[in-house]
Amino acid sequence: TQLLEQSPQFLSIQEGENLTVYCNSSSVFSSLQWYRQEPGEGPVLLVTVVTGGEVKKLKRLTFQFGDARKDSSLHITAAQPGDTGLYLCAGDYAKTSYDKVIFGPGTSLSVIP
Amino acid sequence: DSGVTQTPKHLITATGQRVTLRCSPRSGDLSVYWYQQSLDQGLQFLIQYYNGEERAKGNILERFSAQQFPDLHSELNLSSLELGDSALYFCASSVASAPWGTDTQYFGPGTRLTVL
Repeated sequence: TQLLEQSPQFLSIQEGENLTVYCNSSSVFSSLQWYRQEPGEGPVLLVTVVTGGEVKKLKRLTFQFGDARKDSSLHITAAQPGDTGLYLCAGDYAKTSYDKVIFGPGTSLSVIP
Repeated sequence: DSGVTQTPKHLITATGQRVTLRCSPRSGDLSVYWYQQSLDQGLQFLIQYYNGEERAKGNILERFSAQQFPDLHSELNLSSLELGDSALYFCASSVASAPWGTDTQYFGPGTRLTVL
């Protein structure tokens, strides 16, 4: 069974602090996506990473895909209250169709003003 | 606002009943996807339709079925409901039916189903 683990499960920090959340699996993924979900809304795609070792930046967010394509991290610099939400990673391990996609349980981030 | 609409926003029903959830994709999107999000299972892919035809099937129970109509809206039918079916059900849409990771999915706001 393919599993995606995310850590930490919950994170509460002060505005301005930096943080890193992790997404890990024992499986090799063809690609991995990060989403942010706010209460009462659906997930919103932040980034897709495909190549092992790939680093992508989205303003204050930095995403990295592990060299072996089994793990990924999301680093937020100078967190702001607007960053509050549930961060989900999702990977596909068959590079075929959506039935091979799995989502992690998420990291719930709260940024306190 | 993603452009994907879902109705109803909330649904409360009893065990054994049947409900229909509706989704309208973004204008121009041909693919519709259904997901279930529960506290214990997280977000799980259920099924995908592309231009009216089923394209991929995930962890969808036999009691559940879906279809996509000629106007591209989609409905998810849940029957013989059980307490464990209580969850958020999301619809997402994308332009085409490209392999996962190559096409952006836009999620709707979800329908919260409570089975009592």
